[in-house]
Amino acid sequence: KNEVEQSPQNLTAQEGEFITINCSYSVGISALHWLQQHPGGGIVSLFMLSSGKKKHGRLIATINIQEKHSSLHITASHPRDSAVYICAVRLGPIQGAQKLVFGQGTRLTINP
Amino acid sequence: DAGITQSPRHKVTETGTPVTLRCHQTENHRYMYWYRQDPGHGLRLIHYSYGVKDTDKGEVSDGYSVSRSKTEDFLLTLESATSSQTSVYFCAIRATSGPPDEQFFGPGTRLTVL
Repeated sequence: KNEVEQSPQNLTAQEGEFITINCSYSVGISALHWLQQHPGGGIVSLFMLSSGKKKHGRLIATINIQEKHSSLHITASHPRDSAVYICAVRLGPIQGAQKLVFGQGTRLTINP
Repeated sequence: DAGITQSPRHKVTETGTPVTLRCHQTENHRYMYWYRQDPGHGLRLIHYSYGVKDTDKGEVSDGYSVSRSKTEDFLLTLESATSSQTSVYFCAIRATSGPPDEQFFGPGTRLTVL
C-alpha cells in the first residue's frame, strides 16, 4: 500500500464545475505539498500546508492532520486548469533536508 | 523556476553505457534532489544533497551515484544504464531563504535506455 493515496486518479469535468481532489496518507508528516504538472511536464508547487487551509485565487487546499487527509479544491474550473495534480508529504523535521513522498497524481481534464 | 536548469533535456542511450545528468542552479540553495518519474509510481527520490560533498540515498538509489563538488551543480550518474532506468528525471531544490518553504523543480530530462 502506498504511503500517499490520491483520489480520483482521473477526473473529467465541464468548465465552471467545482473540483475536489483528495489525498490520504498513512505516516506522520511535517507538511504536505500540492503540486501541479502541466502537459508539457513542468512541475509547479501550489501549496505547502502544515495545518488548516490556504487559498490562492481559485485554488483552496485544506488539511486535517488528525485524519491524515488533505483536499485540493478548484472553484470555477477552466480548461487551463487541466493538468496532473500531485500530493506529496514531507517526512522528517522542519529543519534539514526535506524528503518528499509523492502520490501518483490525479489527471484533471476540464472541457469547455 | 528558482534558476534551475537540467542537461541534457532528452537523451537516448544503449544498455551498458554510462550516463551523467546535470542539474544546475543559480541561487545558492543548499538542498538539491534527484527524482525519477514513472507511470504508476509517481515521483520517487533517488539521491539528495545537503551541501557540497554531502549526499545521501533516497528510496530508489540502486544503480545511481551522485556528486556535488560545488553548490550550483548536482550530477546524477548511471554507471551502466539499464532499460529499467528509462524514465523522466527531475532535479529539485529546496528554497529555505523565505516563506514558503517549498521545493522548486527543474524542467526534467527524458532518458531512454535501449
